[in-house]
Amino acid sequence: QLQLQESGPGLVKPSETLSLTCTVSGGSISSSSYYWGWIRQPPGKGLEWIGSIYYSGSTYYNPSLKSRVTISVDTSKNQFSLKLSSVTAADTAVYYCARHQGYCTGGVCGNWFDPWGQGTLVTVSS
Amino acid sequence: QSALTQPASVSGSPGQSITISCTGTSSDVGSYNLVSWYQQHPGKAPKLMIYEGSKRPSGVSNRFSGSKSGNTASLTISGLQAEDEADYYCCSYAGSSTLYVVFGGGTKLTVL
Repeated sequence: QLQLQESGPGLVKPSETLSLTCTVSGGSISSSSYYWGWIRQPPGKGLEWIGSIYYSGSTYYNPSLKSRVTISVDTSKNQFSLKLSSVTAADTAVYYCARHQGYCTGGVCGNWFDPWGQGTLVTVSS
Repeated sequence: QSALTQPASVSGSPGQSITISCTGTSSDVGSYNLVSWYQQHPGKAPKLMIYEGSKRPSGVSNRFSGSKSGNTASLTISGLQAEDEADYYCCSYAGSSTLYVVFGGGTKLTVL
């Protein structure tokens, strides 16, 4: 059974870089046809896609965050990571990692996230 | 790209059916894009309930169903149960030339 677990600091200072790692167990992160994604949820608000990385290393980011986001993968550790630079209080959120399946075939596109990690709260404060 | 539009809240009594709408544009829901739906209980991670518009993952009750008409996707829950009370989010592919994902703003379902 595939499981994902986020890890990283729970408190980050304004203007610094938020760094999180997602460890995948019960399966290989190098499995073809899967992306690995990051999604966040500010307290009391909805979900926001941050970005995803394909098993081959290709990355895709939310345009609203693209200038500050880097997602990378370490297949030797079965992990993928998120870095978000120049954080402000608006970046305070629960950050989730998830396996992301997405495709476009014959003009039809589908995408879904499953399973998800339990989430980790990151607070931006001095 | 704006988030998909969902009603802030819906409610129903046990045993009843409810429908949650998810309205987008011709660039996301209205295009040939198949929506996914997620259930989130307080303090928990979201759980996939519907993918590819109408398919249920293994283990998800057949009381949950998905459909689409034009720019609006819908999640219907029949035979409402107390444990269905949660937040529900829709999600769609929205990119024209690259992977880009948008979520709905979420709907709070209250079982009366």
